[in-house]
Amino acid sequence: AQKITQTQPGMFVQEKEAVTLDCTYDTSDQSYGLFWYKQPSSGEMIFLIYQGSYDEQNATEGRYSLNFQKARKSANLVISASQLGDSAMYFCAMREGGSSTLGRLYFGRGTQLTVWP
Amino acid sequence: DGGITQSPKYLFRKEGQNVTLSCEQNLNHDAMYWYRQDPGQGLRLIYYSQIVNDFQKGDIAEGYSVSREKKESFPLTVTSAQKNPTAFYLCASSRPGDYTSKLFFGSGTQLSVL
Repeated sequence: AQKITQTQPGMFVQEKEAVTLDCTYDTSDQSYGLFWYKQPSSGEMIFLIYQGSYDEQNATEGRYSLNFQKARKSANLVISASQLGDSAMYFCAMREGGSSTLGRLYFGRGTQLTVWP
Repeated sequence: DGGITQSPKYLFRKEGQNVTLSCEQNLNHDAMYWYRQDPGQGLRLIYYSQIVNDFQKGDIAEGYSVSREKKESFPLTVTSAQKNPTAFYLCASSRPGDYTSKLFFGSGTQLSVL
């Protein structure tokens, strides 16, 4: 079974508007971390935001916020006031706390975001 | 500045040839990882290492080999047994076994077959 599911291969948003990128996850661990990375066309992976399984409040980092719904196992990324430079591939990822996985990061297939003027 | 250096940025492999991708980090991280990225498939784990002289296979280890002789270095060899090696390869590092710790990534190596 997929550990991370991103159901939106592509999303389009107009500049200055907000956009939500969906992510659902699957784990039986109580302890886990959820991450979002941005990958521009140059290829590097840029860390955006982190949410821990025990965090009661949604994480925020500048224009990025994470809509964490633990019971639904979803961790959607919200980008407010989109900018042209936000056009990139976005990956949702998870690290589990169990020792069997030794801290590896599981990735979804990504969502290609295009911001238009 | 601390970070991860991957080299070369572009690499070409001839039929039957082994090639080695370099990954060096100065973040003092114990754990290092190799991921392969194909269009539309996200990142898939090839190998990972939690400590020096130890490493484990990931999801797609066939046709690849690694070594971890130094904490700072985790080279990946793409062997001739890997029949479809064309992909973007990303190296990463982190604190081991800590699910709250993010992975730091290098800038990647694009491998193509001639």
